[in-house]
Amino acid sequence: KNQVEQSPQSLIILEGKNCTLQCNYTVSPFSNLRWYKQDTGRGPVSLTIMTFSENTKSNGRYTATLDADTKQSSLHITASQLSDSASYICVVSAINDMRFGAGTRLTVKP
Amino acid sequence: DTAVSQTPKYLVTQMGNDKSIKCEQNLGHDTMYWYKQDSKKFLKIMFSYNNKELIINETVPNRFSPKSPDKAHLNLHINSLELGDSAVYFCASSPWLAGSKNIQYFGAGTRLSVL
Repeated sequence: KNQVEQSPQSLIILEGKNCTLQCNYTVSPFSNLRWYKQDTGRGPVSLTIMTFSENTKSNGRYTATLDADTKQSSLHITASQLSDSASYICVVSAINDMRFGAGTRLTVKP
Repeated sequence: DTAVSQTPKYLVTQMGNDKSIKCEQNLGHDTMYWYKQDSKKFLKIMFSYNNKELIINETVPNRFSPKSPDKAHLNLHINSLELGDSAVYFCASSPWLAGSKNIQYFGAGTRLSVL
């Protein structure tokens, strides 16, 4: 059964600190993995997208990693800012199938 | 200019009513989607259309009927609304069907409350 699990469910950090969010999946056959940021009351916005052959992708202060062998991905946020407070959603695609994780709710406090 | 626009933004209605949500994209994309996000913030795909043809149809009650008059529009009609239909519905579009290295663009969502 194709599934995507994210951890932790929620996370609180202080402004300026780094953090890492995890995504484990069982989706097969794997096509690509994306990380989205969803601000409260808004639609998700794409941060990174990686295919099988890519094991790291950066977008500013966001760096995603992918280990296709262990079926794990992480999203690392460096020097967090208050505007990073949002839900981060991992999405894994197979052909004609797309599975969303439940998201990690990140709160950055001053 | 808004890339993916949904209307209405909020929809409050009584159980048993029929309602529609409209979605339009001006990005020239071939593929459009409808997602449901429940109270636990879990996003689930409902439908996907590619060039006006239904591609993905997840296990969704047949009270939900998508309609794509052209590839820039994908509307969602819901019959006989039930309390469990209360959620935020997101429309999205992408250059082609998920499975390749495309990026989905989401609308701002329609918050549906069924009383």
